[in-house]
Amino acid sequence: DIQMTQSPSSLSASVGDRVIITCRASQSINNYLNWYQQKPGKAPNLLISAATSLQSGVPSRFSGSGSGTDFTLTISSLQPEDLATYYCQHSHSTPWTFGQGTKVEIK
Amino acid sequence: QVQLQESGPGLVKPSETLSLTCSVSGGSFSGYYWNFIRQSPGKGLEWIGYIYYSGTTNYNPSLKSRATISLDTSKNQFSLQLTSVTAADTAMYYCARWGGRSYGLYFDNWGQGTLVTVSS
Repeated sequence: DIQMTQSPSSLSASVGDRVIITCRASQSINNYLNWYQQKPGKAPNLLISAATSLQSGVPSRFSGSGSGTDFTLTISSLQPEDLATYYCQHSHSTPWTFGQGTKVEIK
Repeated sequence: QVQLQESGPGLVKPSETLSLTCSVSGGSFSGYYWNFIRQSPGKGLEWIGYIYYSGTTNYNPSLKSRATISLDTSKNQFSLQLTSVTAADTAMYYCARWGGRSYGLYFDNWGQGTLVTVSS
């Protein structure tokens, strides 16, 4: 199985801050990498697919980059509604696996 | 917009079979992969398996052949059976749609989830 490792596991930042979350795959997955946002009590929601493709309706302050084994999710200017846990997930081959999550809190 | 809704018992006894159903509305089964995913504090998000609209299935080997997913297009439903459950199977269970190479390699629609507890 391909293991996905996220860092940090949690962070606290102020409104307006730039936030960067990293995700590392245990082997090359090209650009087969998705990012999801999970708000408290809700199901995950797709933000970014294929490492860099922003889904329709997702604010432009979210962006993704990377290929191979190293990926990042960037929130350019943190907003109060971004309080959530963020997960990466590879789509290279089954079994599809997720990172352990990064919990983002607002200072 | 397709909507998914899980249903099933919230409490299952150890060694018994967990059965969940996902009802799909507002869309067709055709061309998509229909999945179950679970989330527990200890193991995070874990993909359980999928059934393709044609009936082909694929499961996570970690479940050691305990999972079976079936499809009933006449009822717009697909279902999960997980046998020989233990406390480690306690989790929030989600159903979700995967687009595949035709519609996108990602989970684009999720149910709200249903909590299943394994306890005597």
